[in-house]
Amino acid sequence: DQQVKQNSPSLSVQEGRISILNCDYTNSMFDYFLWYKKYPAEGPTFLISISSIKDKNEDGRFTVFLNKSAKHLSLHIVPSQPGDSAVYFCAASGNQFYFGTGTSLTVIP
Amino acid sequence: DSGVTQTPKHLITATGQRVTLRCSPRSGDLSVYWYQQSLDQGLQFLIQYYNGEERAKGNILERFSAQQFPDLHSELNLSSLELGDSALYFCASSVTPQGGQETQYFGPGTRLLVL
Repeated sequence: DQQVKQNSPSLSVQEGRISILNCDYTNSMFDYFLWYKKYPAEGPTFLISISSIKDKNEDGRFTVFLNKSAKHLSLHIVPSQPGDSAVYFCAASGNQFYFGTGTSLTVIP
Repeated sequence: DSGVTQTPKHLITATGQRVTLRCSPRSGDLSVYWYQQSLDQGLQFLIQYYNGEERAKGNILERFSAQQFPDLHSELNLSSLELGDSALYFCASSVTPQGGQETQYFGPGTRLLVL
């Protein structure tokens, strides 16, 4: 049973525009959410996180939004750059970490 | 560089064989996690150790086992290997056991190919 879902396997965005990656979860007990970025042949790299007591966290070009009532979080990247092209995983923390299946982002120059 | 190291980077072996994957956590981290990523799949949590003791178990097969040593490095043992065990195996570490708002830091992974 997939407790964290990323329903878009891929996303293409023009350089300079906004990238929005989405993630849904099923367990209302999750209290901490993270986004990881993964390049080919490398391990996932921590990007940004958000506690369930917040609805927004911002770090430079990256902002994560959390909608607890909808059990939905999203990652906004503004402006998108070609170096952002990677697979993005969302994760939720409960008694263990649960990861989504990832969204492959391509930023077109 | 996350500070988490994994060896070997690549491993090719045959069905029925046994392999050992090794992970050294970041300095100061007491928790080690193992994940499997198969083709087009997300990261599947296998097992967690904290300061030498098993802390949590995920979707780990009985053919797989792990341990964490006094120096905090960890090994994942995969036995009676099947073709379907071919995957990327990641190790991650964190300072505390799960439950806090802890970030896991991942190693570069070991790519296992079972022929």
